[in-house]
Amino acid sequence: GEKVEQHESTLSVREGDSAVINCTYTDTASSYFPWYKQEAGKGLHFVIDIRSNVDRKQSQRLIVLLDKKAKRFSLHITATQPEDSAIYFCAASRRNNNRIFFGDGTQLVVKP
Amino acid sequence: GPKVLQIPSHQIIDMGQMVTLNCDPVSNHLYFYWYKQILGQQMEFLVNFYNGKVMEKSKLFKDQFSVERPDGSYFTLKIQPTALEDSAVYFCASSLGSDTQYFGPGTRLLVL
Repeated sequence: GEKVEQHESTLSVREGDSAVINCTYTDTASSYFPWYKQEAGKGLHFVIDIRSNVDRKQSQRLIVLLDKKAKRFSLHITATQPEDSAIYFCAASRRNNNRIFFGDGTQLVVKP
Repeated sequence: GPKVLQIPSHQIIDMGQMVTLNCDPVSNHLYFYWYKQILGQQMEFLVNFYNGKVMEKSKLFKDQFSVERPDGSYFTLKIQPTALEDSAVYFCASSLGSDTQYFGPGTRLLVL
């Protein structure tokens, strides 16, 4: 089955800098890649997603990149703010298959 | 964004007892899911449910587990009987179709 790996378990940046979280996946049939944010003691909050028909998507300060050849995708958070501090999960699933495979999560700390 | 609610937020029970976890999904959503997260480990898919039926389940979805959504009420996960290894946070999610899944805040289950 699919295996999603997040390369950074923790990431610390200064407020205003950019943060990049990298993930890889194994299943070439995966075509949907959502990102979720989890604040302490809370559930998963959907952040942004990308589908395999594009290689870049932006929503305000968030940019996701997808490299299908390398089976790699990443989340870029620009102009970070302290409230961006949370655990970020990358995930992957196949087209028309609702089962999501998650990475282990990256703890992002944005220092004022 | 769309909100998924879970009741209770915490549950402590003795091994061997039955427990029912309740999920109130987004009102117009058609697909429902349960995921399990053991402390410090990856979030893992348990089951998805559509049109009154289990569509797919993982190997974590033991015979002691069952799901249902009677008459459009709560989507429930029942564990009977519980075992120590069932201690985890259980997340419910829902989606309209084969797209973004929205997660609840989780139910923290502790089996003693």
